[in-house]
Amino acid sequence: DADVTQTPRNRITKTGKRIMLECSQTKGHDRMYWYRQDPGLGLRLIYYSFDVKDINKGEISDGYSVSRQAQAKFSLSLESAIPNQTALYFCATSDKGLAGRNEQFFGPGTRLTVL
Amino acid sequence: DAKTTQPPSMDCAEGRAANLPCNHSTISGNEYVYWYRQIHSQGPQYIIHGLKNNETNEMASLIITEDRKSSTLILPHATLRDTAVYYCIVTSSSNTGKLIFGQGTTLQVKP
Repeated sequence: DADVTQTPRNRITKTGKRIMLECSQTKGHDRMYWYRQDPGLGLRLIYYSFDVKDINKGEISDGYSVSRQAQAKFSLSLESAIPNQTALYFCATSDKGLAGRNEQFFGPGTRLTVL
Repeated sequence: DAKTTQPPSMDCAEGRAANLPCNHSTISGNEYVYWYRQIHSQGPQYIIHGLKNNETNEMASLIITEDRKSSTLILPHATLRDTAVYYCIVTSSSNTGKLIFGQGTTLQVKP
């Protein structure tokens, strides 16, 4: 079984709809992240969380919200989806352990299309 | 975090070594160099990282210049499955864990 799973894998929705993307991990990591990737570009950080009580904004948090329901679960919501939020979304996890370690483990991605 | 510069694309013959360069001239003393790759819209995959010394693991080698202003990722025997976008990322040890992805280098391994 995959260590980091994302649901759904693909989603098509309409402008104005509320959408939730879910991420679960079995790696036991404290840190979780949400990124988006637009065609031909690198990943950009939306939100990140260091533990259940810690939520932080990333580069492009406007229009998104998150919830860390448990150590293993981190959800991303689009309260009112708009077409320019059409993108590939990735969840990632990392261990807070050793200094300098920033090895992140990524999920398979969710392809979201907003019409 | 220091900014990195990578060539947009490179080709490599299958079975040969692939050498991917990265410039990070503004890197500071507590910043590490990380390499990730992304195969065709899959989630990025960690490859290797280093601070000052050269590093090697089962996937690749990382050569960091003495002044730390540039580095090279070496895939010793490239295969077709190594065709991917390779990202060089510089991040602080005290960093929040954030990774700043640039546009990377698209490596095409050809038979």
